Amino acid sequence: EDQVTQSPEALRLQEGESSSLNCSYTVSGLRGLFWYRQDPGKGPEFLFTLYSAGEEKEKERLKATLTKKESFLHITAPKPEDSATYLCAVQARGSGGYQKVTFGTGTKLQVIP
Amino acid sequence: GAVVSQHPSWVICKSGTSVKIECRSLDFQATTMFWYRQFPKQSLMLMATSNEGSKATYEQGVEKDKFLINHASLTLSTLTVTSAHPEDSSFYICSARGDTDTQYFGPGTRLTVL
Repeated sequence: EDQVTQSPEALRLQEGESSSLNCSYTVSGLRGLFWYRQDPGKGPEFLFTLYSAGEEKEKERLKATLTKKESFLHITAPKPEDSATYLCAVQARGSGGYQKVTFGTGTKLQVIP
Repeated sequence: GAVVSQHPSWVICKSGTSVKIECRSLDFQATTMFWYRQFPKQSLMLMATSNEGSKATYEQGVEKDKFLINHASLTLSTLTVTSAHPEDSSFYICSARGDTDTQYFGPGTRLTVL
């Protein structure tokens, strides 16, 4: 069974203090790994899709990286508006049809001014 | 691009009534739509997957007669919670995918059953 573990559960940073969120996964052949941001009371907002080990993607202060066992979401010089819960999800490679996506429980990030 | 809307954003109803939630992909054709439920401080729980024009596939433990899903077109899916009870109160979120593997989520619907 596919598994996704995110750490830490919660992270509190000072504005400008860079850090990384971790997403460890176990999947029988990775088709794709996804990062989302979710604000309270809202649906997840898509950030990145990563497909293979070594791949990196960036968007503003966020950079996602991928290895064969985990993904990191690096946040450089965060601002208070980066406060949110960050969700990681994986999709396994399958023999046919759309494979189910498994979500982690998220890391709740709080950036203090 | 890749915008998904949900309506209503919140609804309060009496126990025993039915509630319909709409999910629309606004700028792409959604070959597959998904319905999730999220409890406070928990992650997303997939309820069902639907493809346009065919019956939805429900996850284990989800009552298909209680949570009716219709995916009538490539841009619209509906979830009807029938004979709602207080335990059905939750945050319901839909997502849609087009021709890539990425799911794009709607803003969610907060259902409160009194």
